[in-house]
Formats: sequence, C-alpha cells, structure tokens
Amino acid sequence: AQSVTQPDIHITVSEGASLELRCNYSYGATPYLFWYVQSPGQGLQLLLKYFSGDTLVQGIKGFEAEFKRSQSSFNLRKPSVHWSDAAEYFCAVALQPNTGNQFYFGTGTSLTVIP
Amino acid sequence: GAGVSQSPRYKVAKRGQDVALRCDPISGHVSLFWYQQALGQGPEFLTYFQNEAQLDKSGLPSDRFFAERPEGSVSTLKIQRTQQEDSAVYLCASRATGVSDQPQHFGDGTRLSIL
Repeated sequence: AQSVTQPDIHITVSEGASLELRCNYSYGATPYLFWYVQSPGQGLQLLLKYFSGDTLVQGIKGFEAEFKRSQSSFNLRKPSVHWSDAAEYFCAVALQPNTGNQFYFGTGTSLTVIP
Repeated sequence: GAGVSQSPRYKVAKRGQDVALRCDPISGHVSLFWYQQALGQGPEFLTYFQNEAQLDKSGLPSDRFFAERPEGSVSTLKIQRTQQEDSAVYLCASRATGVSDQPQHFGDGTRLSIL
C-alpha cells in the first residue's frame, strides 16, 4: 500500500543544536515531496518541495531536505535550531505525473526546543 | 486575497445540529481541497474541486458531509446531523493549477467541537 511514514512522533532538541526529521515514502515511482510546518492553532506552511533535479533542496527559515531515491527518504534538516522552530512538522507526497487530489500526509513529528 | 481564509475559526455545536464551514481560497486558484485533521494526526483528504467541479469526494466519511463550490471560488463544507466523531480541525487548501507540481496553500482551519 502507498504510505508516508514519519517514524519520530516527538523530538526534543536544545536551541542551537542540529535537527533531522525523517520521512519515508512507499510508492511505485518518485513522487513530488513536500515538508510543511504547523504552529499551534495555525494552518500548514510550506517549508520546501522537491520535484526533480538537485536532490538537496533549500527552503525557508534555514531548512533543507535531501531526497535519497535508494532509501525512499526525504529527511528535513536544520543546522541550528531556534526556539521559534518548535512546531509540528509534516511530510507530504503527491504522485506524479498527476492531476487532482493524490496528496498524502505523514502523521507528523512534534518538535520541542529547550533553551 | 493574500492567503486562504477560513471561517469561523472555532465552532461549537450540539450533537445532531447542522454546521457550515466556509473557505475563501487565494484569488484565481483553480484547485480547492478540504481536509480533516484529528488531534495528533496529519490531515486526511476529504474532497477536491477544480473550479466549480467536484472531481473527487472519496474522502468524505459519510453522506452527512457535503461540499460545494458553486462559482469556482468560495467553498462551503456542510456537515448534517453532527456526531461527536466529527470533532476535528477542518483545513481548506488551494492550489494555483490543477496539477500536483504546485504546492497547496492552507488556511488556519476551523476547529469544530461537537458536544
């Protein structure tokens, strides 16, 4: 079955430490890949996306993600976490080529940042 | 508009009442999506519109759920005879085109509580 997996339900890091959030997908072909962030009571904000080309993509707020085809992974990273990064992070995939609704979310990773 | 706007932000209803949730997408966006997000979960797809046409309603959990987008802009999600399991955050998203290589832009959601 097709799926998006975020293995880490909750992660705690110290401010200034590096961060990596994991995302694995299970599809027959390489999908379009996205990372979204959701602050409490807010909607989802797009951090970055991957369609093709360079497998290391840069996003907003200092985030980057690397697509690894061999591992079916699209992990999100940040070299130095800020307290304002505390939020829920969702990996999402859309099938390609595609029109319409096939847009699937992982269950999310909750990030806590400690001073 | 500048972003996707949803109203009301919070809705409390008694079991058995009907509710209507509104979504104003980004102006000119072709695609509109509704998602249901249970506490601690990722968004789950409900339905998808391309302009005024409802192309996919496979995610609607029952025939009590109904969505429309009569003029291809504003959309309303209606839930009839609400039940406690309908309590969730309902997210609306719009996308510029009908193709999945564009990201979805999310509103802040409507938090629905059924008593």
